[in-house]
Amino acid sequence: EAGVAQSPRYKIIEKRQSVAFWCNPISGHATLYWYQQILGQGPKLLIQFQNNGVVDDSQLPKDRFSAERLKGVDSTLKIQPAKLEDSAVYLCASSLGSAGALETQYFGPGTRLLVL
Amino acid sequence: ELKVEQNPLFLSMQEGKNYTIYCNYSTTSDRLYWYRQDPGKSLESLFVLLSNGAVKQEGRLMASLDTKARLSTLHITAAVHDLSATYFCAVSAYSGAGSYQLTFGKGTKLSVIP
Repeated sequence: EAGVAQSPRYKIIEKRQSVAFWCNPISGHATLYWYQQILGQGPKLLIQFQNNGVVDDSQLPKDRFSAERLKGVDSTLKIQPAKLEDSAVYLCASSLGSAGALETQYFGPGTRLLVL
Repeated sequence: ELKVEQNPLFLSMQEGKNYTIYCNYSTTSDRLYWYRQDPGKSLESLFVLLSNGAVKQEGRLMASLDTKARLSTLHITAAVHDLSATYFCAVSAYSGAGSYQLTFGKGTKLSVIP
């Protein structure tokens, strides 16, 4: 079974530029998550989708971050404009059902973002 | 706000030794997960603990959960180099925004030295 795919794996941009990340979850998984992992910290949930609807975006900085999951499969996370403190690894995860953190989440390899 | 604290944050141990990583959390939770992360790699699920007194074992790793003490432990027996990685505990709790969220600890970076 193919795992969660993410691209790009690495991205370097200057502050105030925009950037987008892409995620393809495990086939058939209803729920998709985006996490931000700052160096030396555990992942922090940014947004959770169930199919193509947003379940929880309470920790998403909506003034600069946006995410969508069209057709309930792939998802993109965008940052516009980027700040230095956005430098982090952005992890995408998926889970089979709709129970959120009551079921095991499977993580992708992450996109490492460096903002200069 | 749910807080999850792991200790130690860094652990250097010799091969063949035993050690325990601790995970404390601040509010009632429905379940607790342990994940492993190798450098530059994804998080890999190791264990999910569902109830008080739950114990799970896989190879040289054993995880346990005490919901009354809000404490989980990850015990390493006779460590080998292949266990070198960062280990995260993550606690599931209702977010108040209509979903259950995972809150992660900062991770324990384990280095096993020959």
